[in-house]
Amino acid sequence: QVQLQESGPGLVKPSETLSLTCTVSGGSLTNYYWNWIRQSPGKGLEWIGYIHPSGSTNYSPSLKSRVSMSVDTSKNQVSLNLTSVTVADTAVYYCSRPWQYWGQGILVTVSS
Amino acid sequence: DIQMTQSPSSLSASVGDRVTITCRAGQNINTFLHWFQQKPGKAPKLLTSPASDFQSGVPSRFTVGGSGTHFTLTISSLQPEDFGSYYCLQNYSVPYTFGQGTKVDIE
Repeated sequence: QVQLQESGPGLVKPSETLSLTCTVSGGSLTNYYWNWIRQSPGKGLEWIGYIHPSGSTNYSPSLKSRVSMSVDTSKNQVSLNLTSVTVADTAVYYCSRPWQYWGQGILVTVSS
Repeated sequence: DIQMTQSPSSLSASVGDRVTITCRAGQNINTFLHWFQQKPGKAPKLLTSPASDFQSGVPSRFTVGGSGTHFTLTISSLQPEDFGSYYCLQNYSVPYTFGQGTKVDIE
């Protein structure tokens, strides 16, 4: 049974970097594109980007200048970094192995 | 970017009603279209992938159709547990884009 679990700080200050980790259990990272999606409070879903364990990445153009993703196969983890955050980055962040498996999501609030 | 236009944005219907949600793509996406159901406070749940391959456990009252630019999700007989929000997603090309969602309430 594949399970995904997001973790990281729930509160980030404006202009700082949001860093989240998605830990995968019950399956391997290999052969899949691992996606990050976010959902602002009361809003719809926004695709952030994906990473493949080979290192291949693709990011949303609207976030590309601030986003980076990485994979640690030894820990079965995928990470998301979003720099220079503003209140507009307040959202629930999800990781997904397309598209059947999702983490439960983590609410990240950007506030001073 | 491929814009996904979903309609209606919300609907309220009675148990037993037939409900149809539409998703229109800004360009031809073949059948690279997925449907999700999301309950409040929960992650989206995949209903179909790509456009007509239902996930295990999805009730048969859910049907999908379409290809190219016009897609539909139909609930033939709405049940109380079908409340929530529904989203379409295209993964024909990056950036992947979601429809804005349809909130379904039970009258």
